[in-house]
Amino acid sequence: AQKVTQAQTEISVVEKEDVTLDCVYETRDTTYYLFWYKQPPSGELVFLIRRNSFDEQNEISGRYSWNFQKSTSSFNFTITASQVVDSAVYFCALTYPFNSGGSNYKLTFGKGTLLTVNP
Amino acid sequence: ETGVTQTPRHLVMGMTNKKSLKCEQHLGHNAMYWYKQSAKKPLELMFVYNFKEQTENNSVPSRFSPECPNSSHLFLHLHTLQPEDSALYLCASSQEAGAGSTDTQYFGPGTRLTVL
Repeated sequence: AQKVTQAQTEISVVEKEDVTLDCVYETRDTTYYLFWYKQPPSGELVFLIRRNSFDEQNEISGRYSWNFQKSTSSFNFTITASQVVDSAVYFCALTYPFNSGGSNYKLTFGKGTLLTVNP
Repeated sequence: ETGVTQTPRHLVMGMTNKKSLKCEQHLGHNAMYWYKQSAKKPLELMFVYNFKEQTENNSVPSRFSPECPNSSHLFLHLHTLQPEDSALYLCASSQEAGAGSTDTQYFGPGTRLTVL
């Protein structure tokens, strides 16, 4: 069974602080993909990053960085110098092929972490 | 229009009403999805369509009826809903299988549904 755990339900920081959102996953598949999505108050889920299970290189995109550790089944997300516009619910997700042809992927989401960045 | 659009953005309906939610994707994808997001619960996958064919029905009650006339459009027909069906309904699309497959799902802004 696939499972994604985001242990932090809510985090509150002051602007310019760095913040790390934790994500731990469980899967028996050897090939899978990990994602982070951002959901601002407007409701839309915004895609942030996709990571292949064979690629453990960390990634940096502007103020965002991701740390993928296969040994601990973790895929943590750090926002550097947080801003008020970063306030949102952040979801970590795991996808795996669910039909026999492997042509469709099912996303398993964590429960999300509500990040509030105060001015 | 770009990305994935959904209409209406907000919907209030009584339990005896019939309404439909519409989703349109402008990304050239071949798979579309309906998700339900209730307060305090993880996102729940409802339906998956691949090349207009339904490939997943995640034990969704029959009062929810999906329709996918082509790879760009997805509808969710609603009838005799219950108050507990009030939620944010999100549509997503992706490019599955073959050349250009990404399996990354791109989401629309959602329809906030309230059932009275």
